[in-house]
Amino acid sequence: DAGITQSPRHKVTETGTPVTLRCHQTENHRYMYWYRQDPGHGLRLIHYSYGVKDTDKGEVSDGYSVSRSKTEDFLLTLESATSSQTSVYFCAISDRGDTDTQYFGPGTRLTVL
Amino acid sequence: EDQVTQSPEALRLQEGESSSLNCSYTVSGLRGLFWYRQDPGKGPEFLFTLYSAGEEKEKERLKATLTKKESFLHITAPKPEDSATYLCAVPLKGGSEKLVFGKGTKLTVNP
Repeated sequence: DAGITQSPRHKVTETGTPVTLRCHQTENHRYMYWYRQDPGHGLRLIHYSYGVKDTDKGEVSDGYSVSRSKTEDFLLTLESATSSQTSVYFCAISDRGDTDTQYFGPGTRLTVL
Repeated sequence: EDQVTQSPEALRLQEGESSSLNCSYTVSGLRGLFWYRQDPGKGPEFLFTLYSAGEEKEKERLKATLTKKESFLHITAPKPEDSATYLCAVPLKGGSEKLVFGKGTKLTVNP
């Protein structure tokens, strides 16, 4: 299994509070991704990173920001959480991007009350 | 608009009853198609990548095939442990790292 961990694995928070999710990899892969998965929508890309301090937006980036200060860590921040951001969040990594295989972490279940 | 559609949404089989899952796509200039398996409460697990029409790949009871318009995941003599949601994904056109996922097919294999 690809060495990907996500923390926390579960979180319950209140509307308006900031939340940061962490993805950590031990594979030294260049690319890292954040997805959310919701019933009826499948997996949707939020943001991705193609190197340290290099990030780009995905399909559903509004309300989210990311940071990558080290190769191994990719942080997803919800500046002011809303109920619509209740979801399961997955981190993924790939070595070369483009059509290279993405490997997924175990996920974080976030509930915003 | 790039789109990936999977069918059926859900499929129930008896153990040993072979069937196929479908993934159709509208991305032009396909540069790869990925199949994943996802168990409840877990992240997607990579199964196959197919790059060109006519390509086939196999793993145990699973075989993935690719045409110019769609991919099939054939399941031969399934077992209860094959129960999972199967996802397919394609890269967006334009040299991007972004994958577009289908909504998945939830497979249940009854003993």
